[in-house]
Amino acid sequence: KAGVTQTPRYLIKTRGQQVTLSCSPISGHRSVSWYQQTPGQGLQFLFEYFSETQRNKGNFPGRFSGRQFSNSRSEMNVSTLELGDSALYLCASSDQTGRYNEQFFGPGTRLTVL
Amino acid sequence: KNQVEQSPQSLIILEGKNCTLQCNYTVSPFSNLRWYKQDTGRGPVSLTIMTFSENTKSNGRYTATLDADTKQSSLHITASQLSDSASYICVVVYNTDKLIFGTGTRLQVFP
Repeated sequence: KAGVTQTPRYLIKTRGQQVTLSCSPISGHRSVSWYQQTPGQGLQFLFEYFSETQRNKGNFPGRFSGRQFSNSRSEMNVSTLELGDSALYLCASSDQTGRYNEQFFGPGTRLTVL
Repeated sequence: KNQVEQSPQSLIILEGKNCTLQCNYTVSPFSNLRWYKQDTGRGPVSLTIMTFSENTKSNGRYTATLDADTKQSSLHITASQLSDSASYICVVVYNTDKLIFGTGTRLQVFP
C-alpha cells in the first residue's frame, strides 16, 4: 500500500495570504489528523476528521480549518497567514481498527511565511 | 495537567555506542505509549507501541521499556549507526484516542 502523501512538500507565502494543504491517507484509512510542528513547541494537534466529520479539535484559532472528502482525502486551510504559522504541517492517517489504533504520518508540508 | 517530558533534549554519541532516551509523563487515563523516529524534514515513523501491561518491547536495535507505576519510559538504542541520527519523540495516548507529544530528543551519531 502506498503511504500517506502530502502536497505540496514546500510552500512560501507572505503574511496575510491564505494557504491550502492536501493530504491523501493510506488506502482504506478513514481517519485523518493534522499536526503543526515547530522547533519550540514540538508536535501540536490541530484537528481530526473521520468519515468527512471533524471529530476532535486542538487549541488553534479559527484561521485554521479543514475538511475531508468522501474518498478520505483531507485539506487544511490557513487564512490570514502570520509569521508564527511557519512550521512543518503533518498529517497522519489511521484505519481506527486494531489494538493500538496506530497512526501513520506523511512527509509533511514545510510552510514558510515571510 | 497532561504532560510528556523527554530528556535529554539533545545527545551526541559515537557510532557503535549504546544510548538511552527518557520519557516521563503525567497523563491520565493512560491508553498506550509510543516512540517515534523522525528524520530531518520527514514525518515521524513508529518504532514501538506499548500498553499498560507491556514492560518491554523491541524493534531491532531499539528496545523500549515502560514503568506504568512511575510513569516513565525509556528507549534504548544498541550499537548505534549513523542512520540513527534523528529526533525521537515519545507520545502518550489517553482517553483511547487523544495524543500528547513530547518535544523530542535530538540524537546525533558521529563516525
